[in-house]
Amino acid sequence: DGGITQSPKYLFRKEGQNVTLSCEQNLNHDAMYWYRQDPGQGLRLIYYSQIVNDFQKGDIAEGYSVSREKKESFPLTVTSAQKNPTAFYLCASSIRATNTGELFFGEGSRLTVL
Amino acid sequence: GNSVTQMEGPVTLSEEAFLTINCTYTATGYPSLFWYVQYPGEGLQLLLKATKADDKGSNKGFEATYRKETTSFHLEKGSVQVSDSAVYFCALVLRDSSYKLIFGSGTRLLVRP
Repeated sequence: DGGITQSPKYLFRKEGQNVTLSCEQNLNHDAMYWYRQDPGQGLRLIYYSQIVNDFQKGDIAEGYSVSREKKESFPLTVTSAQKNPTAFYLCASSIRATNTGELFFGEGSRLTVL
Repeated sequence: GNSVTQMEGPVTLSEEAFLTINCTYTATGYPSLFWYVQYPGEGLQLLLKATKADDKGSNKGFEATYRKETTSFHLEKGSVQVSDSAVYFCALVLRDSSYKLIFGSGTRLLVRP
């Protein structure tokens, strides 16, 4: 089945630790995105990548880092510099680098900082 | 700035009731408009879209019409089912933006049998 796979689904982290969330897609999509979702809020864009080996900051990039070494993979690292990392993280992709608004989402990763 | 405003939830309905979820937008350009749905514990799925004024998007019994004069894109369904219980997000993308999909805060719908 084609789709986006995020792992792990649930993750617990101690304060001061970095953690990496995995996102893999087999849709052959050019663009990939990371969003953060907090209760009662819309999704906020963290980073996006339109092509391999290139990525740009979104609205809330501070405390996060990404890489795009392969077309199908776009991992997100939540660093200790992120002040409030507890959230639901969603990875998405779109067919073309230009965002037409039609995104395909993974099932999300819920990060809890203890 | 560009933004999307949705009615606050939760919206609680009985099965077979009529549904309306309001969505209005502010945009500097000429946006395309979307409704996404998020079922419990899952990611978002595109429900429907409209790319120009007076277009009507429809899918799974849901409809929304792009109203430029009122800058609105209200979601409607004539008869809801328990399985429609989810969070619904209105969103826009500007034609001159290469990356940014702007989401509303979401409206939770709970349908009771």
